[in-house]
Formats: sequence, structure tokens, C-alpha cells
Amino acid sequence: DAKTTQPTSMDCAEGRAANLPCNHSTISGNEYVYWYRQIHSQGPQYIIHGLKNNETNEMASLIITEDRKSSTLILPHATLRDTAVYYCIVSSNTGKLIFGQGTTLQVKP
Amino acid sequence: KAGVTQTPRYLIKTRGQQVTLSCSPISGHRSVSWYQQTPGQGLQFLFEYFSETQRNKGNFPGRFSGRQFSNSRSEMNVSTLELGDSALYLCASSLAWGTDTQYFGPGTRLTVL
Repeated sequence: DAKTTQPTSMDCAEGRAANLPCNHSTISGNEYVYWYRQIHSQGPQYIIHGLKNNETNEMASLIITEDRKSSTLILPHATLRDTAVYYCIVSSNTGKLIFGQGTTLQVKP
Repeated sequence: KAGVTQTPRYLIKTRGQQVTLSCSPISGHRSVSWYQQTPGQGLQFLFEYFSETQRNKGNFPGRFSGRQFSNSRSEMNVSTLELGDSALYLCASSLAWGTDTQYFGPGTRLTVL
């Protein structure tokens, strides 16, 4: 079973920041938080990952709480092309990703 | 760099047949993982290969098998197909074993009639 809890769906206005929460209260010390997204009928796309520090790349920012029990993925300026299912995954780098149901993000004009 | 490629993209088979799907990882990537995606079960891990060895396996019956070649290309095989095997089969590659930064291909859509 997935070790994360995410809201089923969220809406965001185009151009605004999208903040996607994830709870992972049972995360272990050696486990990372990964985020992927899947646009309809395509293969999932890697977004970002982190261990305990906040991370930023060209796609998004990842904020991990100090106790590591939750995190937030931030898409700073959402566009219509960011409409997708977003998966938060906790993993210890074994090559095996356990996907939950994810959050369906709908970006609206 | 070219991304992960999967062939064929679409496949129709009948119950009882077998099928082989192919995956070419990103150049330089040595680890390949396979996933099955269905509307009911979502995305499920099948197995992962690194250096021609299966390193990790999901909870699927023995009808599902795979292999990896010396050039890192991978194939998965499903024997004695069942209707429930209809799914999108996704392959992902990563640079090495021990990382979950995986890059997915477009998938092979298998329909079993």
C-alpha cells in the first residue's frame, strides 16, 4: 500500500501557484519524497524529490516539514498544461515506486 | 537525448496467447522498471532489472516475466493472457540501481479479447 495520503482533487486558476499537499506520517529516516505527474494517457513524469531539505528545480519547489511527516509541491505559475494527476511517493531508492491514487489537479483559465 | 521508447505502442491479443513487450532505456541508463496501469488498480510495480539481473519484483503471478540484455534493453513477457491483463504497460529507466528518479516511456496499450 502507498505510504502517502493526498487529496483526491484540486483546482487552481491559471497563472496562480498550485500547492499540492501530501501526508507521509510513517516515513522512515532513509526514505525520500518523490513527486511525479501523469498527463492523461502518457507515462508518468518525474518532477522533483527530496530527503529533508526544501528543493527547487525548473519545474517546481518541494517543501518538506521539519518532522518530515508532510510535504507540499508548489507549481509557481500553473498553466493549463499542468493539468494532470500528481503522485507523491515515499521511497528508499529501491527502484520500486509505489503509486497511490494521487491528486487530480485541474488548472482552469 | 532520446527518451525511453517502447514497442509496440498498441497490441491486441486473445485470451491464452502470449505477448512480448520491448523497452529501450535512455542512453546510459542501466536500470529498467516495468509497471502495469489499469483503471481499477492504478499503477502497479511489476519488476526492476539492473545489470541483467532482476533486483526487485512486485506481486504479480509467474505468467509475468522479464529480462534485460547487456545493452540494457528490456523485454517483458506475459504468457497465457487473461482478460484482466488488458492494461497500459509502462517501462521506466534510471541511471543506476538505487535511485527512484525514473523516466517513463509512453507505454504499450495491451488489449486482451
